[in-house]
Amino acid sequence: GAVVSQHPSRVICKSGTSVKIECRSLDFQATTMFWYRQFPKQSLMLMATSNEGSKATYEQGVEKDKFLINHASLTLSTLTVTSAHPEDSSFYICSARDRASGTGTQYFGPGTRLLVL
Amino acid sequence: DAKTTQPPSMDCAEGRAANLPCNHSTISGNEYVYWYRQIHSQGPQYIIHGLKNNETNEMASLIITEDRKSSTLILPHATLRDTAVYYCIVRVAGGYSTLTFGKGTMLLVSP
Repeated sequence: GAVVSQHPSRVICKSGTSVKIECRSLDFQATTMFWYRQFPKQSLMLMATSNEGSKATYEQGVEKDKFLINHASLTLSTLTVTSAHPEDSSFYICSARDRASGTGTQYFGPGTRLLVL
Repeated sequence: DAKTTQPPSMDCAEGRAANLPCNHSTISGNEYVYWYRQIHSQGPQYIIHGLKNNETNEMASLIITEDRKSSTLILPHATLRDTAVYYCIVRVAGGYSTLTFGKGTMLLVSP
């Protein structure tokens, strides 16, 4: 099956610093990638959608200047949490849509757990 | 995308079939039914999807009613590793539509 990787799997940082999370589709090309956030005991919430080579589209309430998304290639998207604060602590999950899939099936990465102290 | 309704939790004995229901009474003709599951502290895992015909793969079977207003995900021989939250999601295939996650069904498989 299609594999999506994320790096790092967990990160601890100090308040005010920036953190970059990488998302890679390992065995397929993804013209569209998605970033989700999940707080404890809650469901996944879509943060933004990014298409390769173009600007990301952010969901309502998600600050685009705080959560920088770059989708420079068909297999790599990055999410940078700038000036992180404790309330940004969460489980961040990326997803990639298989370009070759007729129905656009999305596959998810294993997630990155961010803890901001 | 149409909304789905799932029971919040279900129990299943190891080795037995787990039948997870999902209601999607407002589904449109071009919307597919997708199933994902999320094991604790991991990203969601794709299981199966279908439009109107029943589907089967190595993980599960998907039974969709003729009127497409409901579906059932079947895990034929549940194991302890199948304990997870199962999400039933309806979305238009292709295009730019996204997956919207509800609360899902927490399936607990017990010995």
